Amino acid sequence: SAVISQKPSRDICQRGTSLTIQCQVDSQVTMMFWYRQQPGQSLTLIATANQGSEATYESGFVIDKFPISRPNLTFSTLTVSNMSPEDSSIYLCSVSSGTYNEQFFGPGTRLTVL
Amino acid sequence: AQTVTQSQPEMSVQEAETVTLSCTYDTSESDYYLFWYKQPPSRQMILVIRQEAYKQQNATENRFSVNFQKAAKSFSLKISDSQLGDAAMYFCAYRRTTSDMRFGAGTRLTVKP
Repeated sequence: SAVISQKPSRDICQRGTSLTIQCQVDSQVTMMFWYRQQPGQSLTLIATANQGSEATYESGFVIDKFPISRPNLTFSTLTVSNMSPEDSSIYLCSVSSGTYNEQFFGPGTRLTVL
Repeated sequence: AQTVTQSQPEMSVQEAETVTLSCTYDTSESDYYLFWYKQPPSRQMILVIRQEAYKQQNATENRFSVNFQKAAKSFSLKISDSQLGDAAMYFCAYRRTTSDMRFGAGTRLTVKP
């Protein structure tokens, strides 16, 4: 299994500002995913980040709002730009690893926007 | 598009008893994987069990087992001898071999002492 860490674990931000969330994996992985989980809800995929190429965004998510970097096979960042209270959520990093295409998740970043 | 449905928003079970969480999915594919994840209040998603669609035998992991009915597109999770630490949100998930994972809405499990 892959061990994933995220920074920060939580943050409280002002409307209009931006926050960059970091995701570090203890092994090289091809595919990394960013999810959003609003309180009491399921996980919604924001984008898939592959090293060396542009991230692929799901419907309803755009690069200007959620720019993603993937500089190498163990690291990725997600930026939440020009934040509004509607962006308050938990953001989860995930990687695909192993024989059975399992996905492993980071501990999440709890974001509150005032 | 693949969809995953969990029809039980909440379930409760008495400690030491058995509980079954339901999951159905919709797909036209024949090759895929199914998973159950647990998310306790700490919010860390933990893989509980997986099932490969090409395997007829139901997966088991200690107290956790699944009832995989491929024709019915059903994938239920049975938790035996429930423990207080089993209390969490449980998500059923579907994944094709190279695509991302799709999650159900989740079932909140409460374990009563």
